[in-house]
Amino acid sequence: AQTVTQSQPEMSVQEAETVTLSCTYDTSESNYYLFWYKQPPSRQMILVIRQEAYKQQNATENRFSVNFQKAAKSFSLKISDSQLGDTAMYFCAFTGNTGNQFYFGTGTSLTVIP
Amino acid sequence: DAGVIQSPRHEVTEMGQEVTLRCKPISGHDYLFWYRQTMMRGLELLIYFNNNVPIDDSGMPEDRFSAKMPNASFSTLKIQPSEPRDSAVYFCASSRGISEKLFFGSGTQLSVL
Repeated sequence: AQTVTQSQPEMSVQEAETVTLSCTYDTSESNYYLFWYKQPPSRQMILVIRQEAYKQQNATENRFSVNFQKAAKSFSLKISDSQLGDTAMYFCAFTGNTGNQFYFGTGTSLTVIP
Repeated sequence: DAGVIQSPRHEVTEMGQEVTLRCKPISGHDYLFWYRQTMMRGLELLIYFNNNVPIDDSGMPEDRFSAKMPNASFSTLKIQPSEPRDSAVYFCASSRGISEKLFFGSGTQLSVL
């Protein structure tokens, strides 16, 4: 069974600083996909970044980047130059090739402090 | 494209009433998912469809819950009878295929009194 674990229920960061959110997962599949989703107070789920497991290069999207460690089954999200609009819940998610289920972690609530 | 459209955005009902949530996926997306989000349990997959066919409904809590997808552009999630413990945000999401990103609707906040 696939599991996704986010061990940090809450985090805070000063505006303009860098913060890293942790995510680990467990799977027996060799190829899979990992995602970070952001859920601001508006409730809308927004894709932040996507990583394909067979690609060794870490995905980046502007101020957002991941540190993907396949052997350790770790997929952390780094937010650089934090902005007030980054305040949100962040969910790590996994999907494999043998099914089309998405497995979500329990989320990390991030607060950016002005 | 307007994205995934859900209605209603908010629903308040009394215990025992029937509730129907609606979803219009993005055109061309073959997969449709229903999720429930609560503080206690996070995001739970209830059911998903591929090409209008239910593939996995193992997440549906009990027989009070049912979902249909009569065509590629419409799905419903029905709760009958509703109970206070069904109070949650219900999300519909669609995707183009396996490993593709999910596009979420804005959710339905359901409150059962």
